[in-house]
Amino acid sequence: KQEVTQIPAALSVPEGENLVLNCSFTDSAIYNLQWFRQDPGKGLTSLLLIQSSQREQTSGRLNASLDKSSGRSTLYIAASQPGDSATYLCAVNQGGSEKLVFGKGTKLTVNP
Amino acid sequence: GAVVSQHPSRVICKSGTSVKIECRSLDFQATTMFWYRQFPKQSLMLMATSNEGSKATYEQGVEKDKFLINHASLTLSTLTVTSAHPEDSSFYICSASSPNSNQPQHFGDGTRLSIL
Repeated sequence: KQEVTQIPAALSVPEGENLVLNCSFTDSAIYNLQWFRQDPGKGLTSLLLIQSSQREQTSGRLNASLDKSSGRSTLYIAASQPGDSATYLCAVNQGGSEKLVFGKGTKLTVNP
Repeated sequence: GAVVSQHPSRVICKSGTSVKIECRSLDFQATTMFWYRQFPKQSLMLMATSNEGSKATYEQGVEKDKFLINHASLTLSTLTVTSAHPEDSSFYICSASSPNSNQPQHFGDGTRLSIL
């Protein structure tokens, strides 16, 4: 059974700092991996999608990497801003299934 | 981009009430929709997969008679929490698959259900 773990559970940083969020998964037979952002009481916003054949994806100040063989992904946020404060969720999509398995998320607080 | 609308956004009702939540794909047809539940400080847990024109597939531990799912059209799936009790209070989120999108699932904004 696929399990997704995110470390740390919470992170507080000063504005402007670069930071890394970590995601690990137990079954490397994934089709893709996604990073989402969730604001309090809201739904999910997709940030980056990495196919299993890819190593990384970039969007603006965000960069996500994928090491499928070791079951790890990282989300790098450059020059963090208070508006980046949210919970970041990692989810994997198993091959042959549309189901997503989520981690518990990392709650990020960027202090002005 | 693909948009999923979920309604209502918030429900507060008495114990024993049945509550219906709607999930609509606004600009695409979704043969498959998913229903998730999220407890505070927990991850999203898949409850069931809703397939248009057929019965939903429930995850282990989810009561079919408690959480009724209907996917009557390619743009609408409904989740009915029957005879809701305080332990059913949670955040319910739906998502829909868009075959023409590079993103596997598009999510609604969620429904906060509070049972008194």
